[in-house]
This record gives sequence, C-alpha cells and structure tokens, in this order.
Amino acid sequence: DAGVTQSPTHLIKTRGQQVTLRCSPKSGHDTVSWYQQALGQGPQFIFQYYEEEERQRGNFPDRFSGHQFPNYSSELNVNALLLGDSALYLCASSRGRGYNSPLHFGNGTRLTVT
Amino acid sequence: QQQVKQSPQSLIVQKGGISIINCAYENTAFDYFPWYQQFPGKGPALLIAIRPDVSEKKEGRFTISFNKSAKQFSLHIMDSQPGDSATYFCAASRLSYSGAGSYQLTFGKGTKLSVIP
Repeated sequence: DAGVTQSPTHLIKTRGQQVTLRCSPKSGHDTVSWYQQALGQGPQFIFQYYEEEERQRGNFPDRFSGHQFPNYSSELNVNALLLGDSALYLCASSRGRGYNSPLHFGNGTRLTVT
Repeated sequence: QQQVKQSPQSLIVQKGGISIINCAYENTAFDYFPWYQQFPGKGPALLIAIRPDVSEKKEGRFTISFNKSAKQFSLHIMDSQPGDSATYFCAASRLSYSGAGSYQLTFGKGTKLSVIP
C-alpha cells in the first residue's frame, strides 16, 4: 500500500519563475493538504483541498495556488518565485477528521530558488 | 503570532536516558495534540497523539502528558535509543472545525534530539 508520494523530489528554479509540485495521496484518502517547511522550522499550513475545492487556507499570498483532481491527487503552483520560497514542500493526505484520522505526510519536494 | 511554542530547540541525551520535550499552546479551541517525528530527508510521521480530556497517554516508550489548565503538553521518551535521534514536532489542531474536509495542524518549531551511545 503506497503512502503519500510527491514529485519531483528536488527542484531548482530562478526568481520570478513558476513551479508546479505534485502529490498523490495515500490509498483511501480524499483530502490533501500542503505545508511549507523552511529550514530549521516546523511545517506551516498552506491550504487544503477536499472534493476538488480549496477548503482552508493559511497565511500565504495568492501566488500560491492549487488544484485537486477527481482521483484525489493534487498540485501546488507557486508563481513569481521569491528567494524566500525556498523550502521543503510537504503534502499530507487524510480521510475525515476524527481522532482516528491522522495526517500522513509525503517526503516532500525540496525547492531551491536562486 | 506563534500559537504553539516548543522547547528546547535541541536536546542531547545519553542512551537509556529520558528525553523530555515541552510545548505550550495559546488557542483554547485546540482539541487534538499530536507529536510527529521527522528523520532527515523524510516527511514527518505521526508518533503519538492526545485529546484534551485525557491527562496522559502512553504508547511503548513514548508518553504524552497533558495539562489543560496550563495549556501545556510534553513528550517523554523513556529508555532513549540512538535510533530515536530525529527532529520532533509538537502540533495542535481543532478537530471540531465545522467546515468540510479535514483539519489543519499548527506546528511548533521542532526539537532536534541526539541520543549518544
């Protein structure tokens, strides 16, 4: 049973460019959340997708956008990249939100903006 | 505004010792408090979690202690092993959120644990 898979694992972009990161949730999960983890920091919530709609959003500018597909996979898009966008981007999937519905994280995409 | 404060930032413990990591939260609406373990190059993995109607939860060598009145919770790792060397994150969430979908986690800044032989 595959867990959460993310691609690519590493990415180098230039300031001002656009990037798309991809996530496939764990089998049976229908909700995908994205987190940004800066070096030496805890993950920060970006947004969450459920039923192909953005349901919750953290304190991130609208340069960060996303999409969820009918098969529950998701994309994170970041436009007009800034040096400060360099971070590990984590995808987490879940189903429901009871105490027995833990978030499962992928291993992330390491984005470097030069 | 940092809603979950975690300490210490780093911790060195001898093999067989007890590792203790503390967290404090501000939002009284939080009702779910998980701890995550992260190894280098990997995503965070759920270790253990507690709900506010319980003061302590134990799973193997890992114990969460919860103090609702003080808005604090802590992770104790008994008989710490070199394989426990990782970064640990406390987190909090509000499962009672009324919207659709799942919940979002607010993380602490992490504690890098090193267990030396």
